[in-house]
Amino acid sequence: DSGVTQTPKHLITATGQRVTLRCSPRSGDLSVYWYQQSLDQGLQFLIQYYNGEERAKGNILERFSAQQFPDLHSELNLSSLELGDSALYFCASSSDRGSYNEQFFGPGTRLTVL
Amino acid sequence: AQSVAQPEDQVNVAEGNPLTVKCTYSVSGNPYLFWYVQYPNRGLQFLLKYITGDNLVKGSYGFEAEFNKSQTSFHLKKPSALVSDSALYFCAVRDAGNFNKFYFGSGTKLNVKP
Repeated sequence: DSGVTQTPKHLITATGQRVTLRCSPRSGDLSVYWYQQSLDQGLQFLIQYYNGEERAKGNILERFSAQQFPDLHSELNLSSLELGDSALYFCASSSDRGSYNEQFFGPGTRLTVL
Repeated sequence: AQSVAQPEDQVNVAEGNPLTVKCTYSVSGNPYLFWYVQYPNRGLQFLLKYITGDNLVKGSYGFEAEFNKSQTSFHLKKPSALVSDSALYFCAVRDAGNFNKFYFGSGTKLNVKP
């Protein structure tokens, strides 16, 4: 158990809908990262927050947004969903006390868009 | 641009034999390299990392990795494979220009046969 929790585990929704994925980092970790894992594109970095502030953006679509709250949990919002958004979404956290620290991954949320 | 490549989609090895999972990288500046493992329906788990120092890095579950600067490689190795090592393995590099970004390889599926 990495100490990172994600809810829900599974999500099934329809095209055009909006969903929110939630992540709680390990105790003491200030950084949260979001990734998308799909069969054809591997693991793609989406966005990173550190202590409530956005620090880095990857291949995140404009339909997607995220935020990190004062209690350090994070939410990834996906809107106007398309079939191609079906994927596993992972959250990871890191202490980031140095630049060398590894990430700890949550179990993921499997999103299915019908 | 930072990137990692895993040239093999799949590696097959017999239990008890040594295994190697290949990774090559392309970075500007010093490389910060990581290996993660993903078991079915689970999040990624950290195995080991190279930051600086000894080229042979030891990690979890008996795995080790050899950093080779001249060949820009960071291959994952284990002297004697176990059936339970069967999983998906990812190599990753931390962006030297923006430490908040990680780039993951496409993953290599390791199959260890009894």
